[in-house]
Amino acid sequence: QQKVQQSPESLSVPEGGMASLNCTSSDRNFQYFWWYRQHSGEGPKALMSIFSDGDKKEGRFTAHLNKASLHVSLHIRDSQPSDSALYFCAASEPQGGRALIFGTGTTVSVSP
Amino acid sequence: DPKIIQKPKYLVAVTGSEKILICEQYLGHNAMYWYRQSAKKPLEFMFSYSYQKLMDNQTASSRFQPQSSKKNHLDLQITALKPDDSATYFCASSHGTGVYEQYFGPGTRLTVL
Repeated sequence: QQKVQQSPESLSVPEGGMASLNCTSSDRNFQYFWWYRQHSGEGPKALMSIFSDGDKKEGRFTAHLNKASLHVSLHIRDSQPSDSALYFCAASEPQGGRALIFGTGTTVSVSP
Repeated sequence: DPKIIQKPKYLVAVTGSEKILICEQYLGHNAMYWYRQSAKKPLEFMFSYSYQKLMDNQTASSRFQPQSSKKNHLDLQITALKPDDSATYFCASSHGTGVYEQYFGPGTRLTVL
């Protein structure tokens, strides 16, 4: 069973709109969460990390973590066509910190 | 200049053969990793190395063997290739094996016929 689930599978957003992505973990050992973005034909690239409950904002991107429910979200404000990509949530354990366990991914398409 | 180099970019192999995927990083990192991405599964962790020593192995098959000749090199040898091994293999690196951002290479797309 996949330990990190993402929803929705795909998302269409108009340029300038807001994209909201969700991620839920089934393993309470996962304490640290990351959002990665992968453009077609490239390797994933980290967008941001979130380790504490609450919100974390970096530019147009805001992540939210609720450790009690093991739920993480990512909101992309003022979406641009260049934001069109595959987005992954990834989780890791605190003491291990070695393996990143990736979610199933959300494909975001931003239309001009 | 690319900081993580993976060679080759594309690789076609026949069932039963052996291939080596090359990875070099020039970020000065101490930890390196291999991940696999196939159409059927999300990015899947395979191995992690720190200072050239194996730290974690979540690959069930012994057909996959990482090889580290230098601190900034982590190659992946795959023997007795099967069609199910067809995937894109990504090398990654990080400053250490603590909670550090992992930087990914461009990947090697392997097709096994």
